[in-house]
Amino acid sequence: AQSVAQPEDQVNVAEGNPLTVKCTYSVSGNPYLFWYVQYPNRGLQFLLKYITGDNLVKGSYGFEAEFNKSQTSFHLKKPSALVSDSALYFCAVRDMDNDMRFGAGTRLTVKP
Amino acid sequence: EPEVTQTPSHQVTQMGQEVILRCVPISNHLYFYWYRQILGQKVEFLVSFYNNEISEKSEIFDDQFSVERPDGSNFTLKIRSTKLEDSAMYFCASSELLAGGEETQYFGPGTRLLVL
Repeated sequence: AQSVAQPEDQVNVAEGNPLTVKCTYSVSGNPYLFWYVQYPNRGLQFLLKYITGDNLVKGSYGFEAEFNKSQTSFHLKKPSALVSDSALYFCAVRDMDNDMRFGAGTRLTVKP
Repeated sequence: EPEVTQTPSHQVTQMGQEVILRCVPISNHLYFYWYRQILGQKVEFLVSFYNNEISEKSEIFDDQFSVERPDGSNFTLKIRSTKLEDSAMYFCASSELLAGGEETQYFGPGTRLLVL
């Protein structure tokens, strides 16, 4: 069965600094990997996904993620963090059975 | 931009009562899903629905739960006899059927259910 792990409950960065939110996965077959963001009292918003092709995936709001097959990782990155990026970030994996498995979430706090 | 909508945004109910959570998926989407998020915990898959039948369900989705697409637009989740532990945020999601399984699931804003 597929699973995804987000090893950090919390990530704190200063505004303008690069940010990384980590995710590792376990799946049989080819992984379909996703990042979602959840702002307070809001639903999940799709950020980006990896299906096939380039290992560096670009998504919404300037975020990108790098798929690394050898390390089974799919870390979310942004070159320059904004205070408005503060939110809860979820990594998810989907296999060919179509159900999504989410990580526990990482709370990102960007301080001015 | 089209979006998934859910009603109500909040629901308070007594233990043992039936609740129906409603969702209107994006109009050209064919796959529908329900997830839940207990406060402070991870998002958990409940069920997926395609072609008017359940395609997959998790261990959480027991006989107390059912889903229905009563018409061409709504997708509902029914909990027959609510328990305290059903208190959670329930998210509906929908996706197109894309070649190669490249579907992106788009989520609604959620219904916060509180069972007293």
